[in-house]
Amino acid sequence: QSVLTQPPSVSAAPGQKVTISCSGSSSNIGNNYVSWYQQLPGTAPKLLIYDNNKRPSGIPDRFSGSKSGTSATLGITGLQTGDEADYYCGTWDSSLSAARVFGGGTKLTVL
Amino acid sequence: EVQLVESGGGLIQPGGSLRLSCAASGFTVSSNYMSWVRQAPGKGLEWVSVIYSGGSTYYADSVKGRFTISRDNSKNTLYLQMNSLRAEDTAVYYCARDLPSSSTLPGFRGMDVWGQGTTVTVSS
Repeated sequence: QSVLTQPPSVSAAPGQKVTISCSGSSSNIGNNYVSWYQQLPGTAPKLLIYDNNKRPSGIPDRFSGSKSGTSATLGITGLQTGDEADYYCGTWDSSLSAARVFGGGTKLTVL
Repeated sequence: EVQLVESGGGLIQPGGSLRLSCAASGFTVSSNYMSWVRQAPGKGLEWVSVIYSGGSTYYADSVKGRFTISRDNSKNTLYLQMNSLRAEDTAVYYCARDLPSSSTLPGFRGMDVWGQGTTVTVSS
């Protein structure tokens, strides 16, 4: 069972918007940065969002991140079939020695 | 080009040992915080271990006492020595680089470079 809670799946039609939530506590999300990762089938995870809401170079602005209290949200607009993937949130849990923690992952289906 | 390439995975019997390697190019391993993250078949990501630039090491409870993270600065390579392997250690193992932190941006900010992964299967 993951320290961070994500919905197992979300779906939306091409061109639409979807949000993925990530819920934690004061020892993790509440007091640390949140990052988001995209994992396409059979590939390694790829950083989408860091520092709660920043995008690495090359990541389109269709992807956005936000954080409020002990929860974080990944938003994806203008959905494309190529966005079908697993998405993970990650952060640091200060109650666990140097532990990085991840959410259980959310499978995005673009209908 | 900044890149990480893992190797060393394979099929190993329960109780056995294996050493994974992660060769870096385009940056210096010893100047960064480097982690191992694993993914069991059909499951999510699980952080395994981290080594800080200063040499401090930390482990997930699930591997503490059995796994050892280290690096060879001359080879610019990260390692994960895995002993007393169990069936539940079966996974794809990724190495990854932390984004650098600072006094103005403290803490874990994300992992920006990932290797392609190496598969470890623990089975008799």
